[in-house]
Amino acid sequence: SYELTQPPSVSVSPGQTARITCSGDALPKKYAYWYQQKSGQAPVLVIYEDSKRPSGIPERFSGSSSGTVATLTISGAQVEDEADYYCYSTDSSGNYRVFGGGTKLTV
Amino acid sequence: EVHLVESGGGLVKPGGSLRLSCGASGFIFSSYSMNWVRQAPGKGLEWVSSISSTSDYIYYADSVKGRFTISRDNAKNSLYLQMNSLRAEDTAVYFCARESKGNYYFDYWGQGTLVTVSS
Repeated sequence: SYELTQPPSVSVSPGQTARITCSGDALPKKYAYWYQQKSGQAPVLVIYEDSKRPSGIPERFSGSSSGTVATLTISGAQVEDEADYYCYSTDSSGNYRVFGGGTKLTV
Repeated sequence: EVHLVESGGGLVKPGGSLRLSCGASGFIFSSYSMNWVRQAPGKGLEWVSSISSTSDYIYYADSVKGRFTISRDNAKNSLYLQMNSLRAEDTAVYFCARESKGNYYFDYWGQGTLVTVSS
């Protein structure tokens, strides 16, 4: 079955740039999406279609994708950005959805 | 405003069955694909199953294939997940999620219902 691989944890000081990577064989053909989940809450979409930001998401959140690796970047991370972040995509057929294992961001 | 409300969770013994429901409001339910996503305690998100707007296309994660059945009733604005042969590893919060039109990401989520499989 298809997998997306993320680092388990990333730690930065407030104001620094946090980068979270997601690797998957189908990413050259399929968009990556990023969800933020804070404890006890439903996930919130922060990046869609590799690099687009939904309305209401701060500009410090950005995304990119190159080859088999998608990256979520938080420029000038804030304490309130501490959360679990999940990349999401589908396999090459587009039928099977998959989440990465999640990355715990500590600010 | 879009609302998704899950129900039906609870404690069940290994090998038992449970049926989850998700009531939808605030949008034209029959126009959207819907999904179930779960999260075991302290673990990550896991996609479980998806169903197209007219139930023509249904997919399952390998971990639940053959044991879980997704269905919907568009007249009742409701999504269901029939879970059979439950295992301890099925213990999780189960979320229903609406799939964005023309795409495959989830734009709205419910708050989840907890399923605990234990003797």
